Amino acid sequence: GAGVSQTPSNKVTEKGKYVELRCDPISGHTALYWYRQSLGQGPEFLIYFQGTGAADDSGLPNDRFFAVRPEGSVSTLKIQRTERGDSAVYLCASRPTGANVLTFGAGSRLTVL
Amino acid sequence: QQQVKQSPQSLIVQKGGISIINCAYENTAFDYFPWYQQFPGKGPALLIAIRPDVSEKKEGRFTISFNKSAKQFSLHIMDSQPGDSATYFCAASIRDSSYKLIFGSGTRLLVRP
Repeated sequence: GAGVSQTPSNKVTEKGKYVELRCDPISGHTALYWYRQSLGQGPEFLIYFQGTGAADDSGLPNDRFFAVRPEGSVSTLKIQRTERGDSAVYLCASRPTGANVLTFGAGSRLTVL
Repeated sequence: QQQVKQSPQSLIVQKGGISIINCAYENTAFDYFPWYQQFPGKGPALLIAIRPDVSEKKEGRFTISFNKSAKQFSLHIMDSQPGDSATYFCAASIRDSSYKLIFGSGTRLLVRP
């Protein structure tokens, strides 16, 4: 597609529930990133994929967070046992090989009640 | 070591004025410094970027000034327009890694007509 697509754009869930957020990167972009942006803050790095593998998952806050990219394109961020503190906008970005420009999607706003 | 500190938190400028946003970093391994612009409900979009081998880069009304010895860089928006009203984030990354961006906390700019 023309840009990075993220679904859903908004997700409201209850504390303790499981959530999946999807990212469809720009076609051909081998690198994919997940960031979390809390209200009034800058994006915070979560995880980086190069192809199918998670090359850097140092930003995942705990083991409730997990992400996959099984075919090297679409990625899913999975959050188990959601907590109110998980409420934020989750941003996905992609980058072509050899370039240093990250292109971000519009984000998925997660609200945990 | 990984932090990028940004100021001010918010800024109000009259139309036609100059907007100045400042950032400072600690990690001398950073070698790529982009600025991102974010409108409400949208993802961050690359505005302009600089590498530390130059002291200034200009693109239209937007200029980055870079002071390597002070480990500081700034964004100047000349002839600020109401359409420039947005949140601006400085960021930094290390070229030889994943191009993972470390973001500042953001500056909310309001340009009054």
